[in-house]
Amino acid sequence: KNQVEQSPQSLIILEGKNCTLQCNYTVSPFSNLRWYKQDTGRGPVSLTIMTFSENTKSNGRYTATLDADTKQSSLHITASQLSDSASYICVVSDMTTDSWGKLQFGAGTQVVVTP
Amino acid sequence: DTEVTQTPKHLVMGMTNKKSLKCEQHMGHRAMYWYKQKAKKPPELMFVYSYEKLSINESVPSRFSPECPNSSLLNLHLHALQPEDSALYLCASSQEIGLASYEQYFGPGTRLTVT
Repeated sequence: KNQVEQSPQSLIILEGKNCTLQCNYTVSPFSNLRWYKQDTGRGPVSLTIMTFSENTKSNGRYTATLDADTKQSSLHITASQLSDSASYICVVSDMTTDSWGKLQFGAGTQVVVTP
Repeated sequence: DTEVTQTPKHLVMGMTNKKSLKCEQHMGHRAMYWYKQKAKKPPELMFVYSYEKLSINESVPSRFSPECPNSSLLNLHLHALQPEDSALYLCASSQEIGLASYEQYFGPGTRLTVT
């Protein structure tokens, strides 16, 4: 069973609107959580990385939140642009496999921004 | 420079061919990774190199043979592949493996098609 679950699987939003993506995880013991953006046919690009003690982090129009108690994270996109169309992947590391560089990937949320 | 480069961008090969994928980074990173990604799925870890030594092999078939000739280069040698091996192959690097703060930087990937 995947230890990182993302929702929704996909969504379509109008340019200029906001949206929020969800990530729930069961990975334990928790080390850090990352959000990546992946354009079709390209490699993932890091947006944010948060450790246990951080509950929010921003990168431009992207804001990630983390609730380590409920094991939930969200990624909020403000004033969406056409270039935001991509897959957004939640990635979690645990304290054990992190020492070997192995990450637990969610299946991603496919975002389509329409004019 | 936070760039990981991969060549070729696209590769079509027959099941009897031998080919190689190449990955290069000049960030001084000592950990390098190969991932395989099928369409609409998250990346799957294949191999991890740390200080030019193979650290993790995720039970990958022997028709995939990794090589790390120096700290900046990572190769993936392909031989006798199957059509189901068609995928996007991603290379990544990080300063080292382990520790929560080490970001993994991904290359753009090689789109492999096995005919």
